[in-house]
Amino acid sequence: AQTVTQSQPEMSVQEAETVTLSCTYDTSENNYYLFWYKQPPSRQMILVIRQEAYKQQNATENRFSVNFQKAAKSFSLKISDSQLGDTAMYFCAFMKRNTGNQFYFGTGTSLTVIP
Amino acid sequence: EAGVAQSPRYKIIEKRQSVAFWCNPISGHATLYWYQQILGQGPKLLIQFQNNGVVDDSQLPKDRFSAERLKGVDSTLKIQPAKLEDSAVYLCASSDPGLNYEQYFGPGTRLTVT
Repeated sequence: AQTVTQSQPEMSVQEAETVTLSCTYDTSENNYYLFWYKQPPSRQMILVIRQEAYKQQNATENRFSVNFQKAAKSFSLKISDSQLGDTAMYFCAFMKRNTGNQFYFGTGTSLTVIP
Repeated sequence: EAGVAQSPRYKIIEKRQSVAFWCNPISGHATLYWYQQILGQGPKLLIQFQNNGVVDDSQLPKDRFSAERLKGVDSTLKIQPAKLEDSAVYLCASSDPGLNYEQYFGPGTRLTVT
């Protein structure tokens, strides 16, 4: 079974600063995707960034980037130039590529951006 | 493009009562997921459909939960009878493998069982 661990239940960052959220996962699979999803207060969950396991290059989306360490099974999210709108729950998710493409989510990290 | 629709948004019932949730995925998305998100936790997959077939329902409490996706489009999730521990947000999501497996989530239904 796949497990996803987010060891930081809560974090805070000053506006315009950089913050890194941690995620580790456990799997015996070789073909999988990793995702970070954002869930703002009382709003829908949206995708922040995705990483394909076979790609060595770390994914980047504007102010969001990941540090993907496949051997260590680590997938951290870096948010640069934090903005107030980044305040949200962040979930790390693992998807194994097979006929089912099941998703497994971590327990989340609550990020607060302080003005 | 319209997003994933869910109804109702909120529901309060007493234990042992029944409840049903409805989900309309994004048009053309073959895969539909139902998740249970208990306060302070991450989403837990209850059931996953590919078109109108079940791909994974290993974490669905089948003695009280049921789900169907008729014609491979809309889906309903039912709880009968409800227990206090079923209080949670029920999220529906859909995806298209051609879009790099990104899941699109609905707003969720917040269920309170008293």
